[in-house]
Amino acid sequence: GNSVTQMEGPVTLSEEAFLTINCTYTATGYPSLFWYVQYPGEGLQLLLKATKADDKGSNKGFEATYRKETTSFHLEKGSVQVSDSAVYFCALRLSYIPTFGRGTSLIVHP
Amino acid sequence: EPEVTQTPSHQVTQMGQEVILRCVPISNHLYFYWYRQILGQKVEFLVSFYNNEISEKSEIFDDQFSVERPDGSNFTLKIRSTKLEDSAMYFCASSVGRDDGYTFGSGTRLTVV
Repeated sequence: GNSVTQMEGPVTLSEEAFLTINCTYTATGYPSLFWYVQYPGEGLQLLLKATKADDKGSNKGFEATYRKETTSFHLEKGSVQVSDSAVYFCALRLSYIPTFGRGTSLIVHP
Repeated sequence: EPEVTQTPSHQVTQMGQEVILRCVPISNHLYFYWYRQILGQKVEFLVSFYNNEISEKSEIFDDQFSVERPDGSNFTLKIRSTKLEDSAMYFCASSVGRDDGYTFGSGTRLTVV
């Protein structure tokens, strides 16, 4: 079946550090890939997406590139802020129902 | 910005009791969903709803679960006889179309004791 594997959290960084949150997937076909973010007390929000191989999704300084050869969609940001502290979910979609990973908590200290 | 609203934010119920989780999707959205996340585990799909009927459901969504859109604005998830393992965060979501991005609510934390 389809599945998404994310790195275990929490990821703890200092402000302005470089962020990578790893995500790999298993799918029978060519899925669309997504990153969602959940800020404290709020719902999941779509952060970025990529629909085919080598596409790069980007938003709010975050980027992720759809790598078919490594079945990965790692989330990166060059300089994190305290306000980026949240839980980040990687997801894939083959049918119209997304499959989510477990989420990775990011904590950014001033 | 339009929001999906879920109530209550936290519900505690005794095992065997019925519970109803409520959601108000975004008004022009046509597709509605329930997901759940057991603490520390992945977000799991429960059910999707379109045109006043269930369009897809997972293995988790057994006879103990039901969904309803009673009045054109609310979208509810009912668990008839709660079990301890139903304790989780339940997320409602909606979308305009099947392939559009989802908007999620902030979740209801259900604790079954």
